[in-house]
Parts: sequence; structure tokens; C-alpha cells
Amino acid sequence: EVQLVESGGGLVQPGRSLKLSCAASGFTFSNYYMAWVRQAPTKGLEWVASITNSGGSTYYRDSVKGRFTISRDNAKSTLYLQMDSLRSEDTATYYCTRGRNWYFDFWGPGTMVTVSS
Amino acid sequence: DTVLTQSPALAVSPGERVSISCRASEGVNSYMHWYQQKPGQQPKLLIYKASNLASGVPARFSGSGSGTDFTLTIDPVEADDTATYFCQQSWNDPPTFGGGTKLELK
Repeated sequence: EVQLVESGGGLVQPGRSLKLSCAASGFTFSNYYMAWVRQAPTKGLEWVASITNSGGSTYYRDSVKGRFTISRDNAKSTLYLQMDSLRSEDTATYYCTRGRNWYFDFWGPGTMVTVSS
Repeated sequence: DTVLTQSPALAVSPGERVSISCRASEGVNSYMHWYQQKPGQQPKLLIYKASNLASGVPARFSGSGSGTDFTLTIDPVEADDTATYFCQQSWNDPPTFGGGTKLELK
């Protein structure tokens, strides 16, 4: 059974950093693209970043380029999202997803990030 | 970015057929996907590439369309289908989602 479990969310002040993790199991992690998708409270879904199966290429939405870094450790079957210079508009639930040709076939339960002073 | 437009809400009775539409601001070929999100849960993939049923999804769900106009159909609707349904395109960069259609059962 595919499982994705996020951790690392919490309350953080504007301008500070936070690192999210996603532990994957139930599939061969190194065979799949992975991605982060977020959802602001009572809002829709927004793709944040993706990474190829080897980690050799990464992709970001414009609003997080230069502030967020997606990475992975295939030996640990773990996906990461380093978030720097956080803004109030980054407040959202962050979902770890397994990517398939740029759609997302499995999602974790999400971790909440609140950026507020 | 490609904007996906969905109707905000629909209300149907159990046993009826419902069609949920998604219109793209530019062509997306057949690269449209559909997700179901129940309250307090993560989204779940229902349909990929316009008309392909995801693994484990009941055959009551189906998808159609190409280019700019797409439809998710549920027939017949069951009480458990109360949820918000999102479309997502992956043809144009960046991938984008529709605002969601909240399906309520009468």
C-alpha cells in the first residue's frame, strides 16, 4: 500500500525558515517523480514544486522560486521541502504527492504551515 | 498560467446523474485530470488524462473531453460522493487546478 506521511509543519514568523519532510513507503520511491502541492485555508489547490526520480531536475512555481528548495533522499525514501523567507501567503496545508506525468496519483494527509507574527 | 473554470457548487439527489464541467483558458490536449476531496481529507485521484479511471475508483465515475472543455460524470450519485471535485491540467507549464466544484446531496 502506497503511503506518504508529511511532517515538519507548524507556526513560523514571516521571514523565517521551515523544512518539511515526507516519508514514502509501499512503492519504489526512486522510480517516481515527486511533488509538493499546497492548499490555503478554504482555498483551492496550488502546485508548488516537483523533482525528477533521480533528483537531477527540479521545477518550481514562480512565487516560490529562489525561496523554496525541493530535494529527495532515495536511500531513505524521503522527500523534502526547504522553505526560506516565508511569507503570510505561504500559509497552507502542504501535501506530498507522487507524480505521474505531471498529475498526482497519491497524496499524503498533509502538514499545516502557518506564517504569522 | 492556464486558468481552469469550474462551477462553484451543485446539488443532486442520490441515484441521479451529475456532470461537473471544467473549462480551460487555453488548450490542454487530453491532459486533464480529476480529483475528489472530502472534508478534512487529502485529494484523491479519480480520472487521469481526461477519461482514464484511476485504480480502485468505481466505474460510476467517468471523464470526457479534449482541448478546452472537460466533464466529470458520476452516474449514479451516491451519498458518499459528497465532496469537492477539482480538475487539473498538466499540458501547459505550470500545472494548474480549477477552483473546485462542491457537490452536495439533497
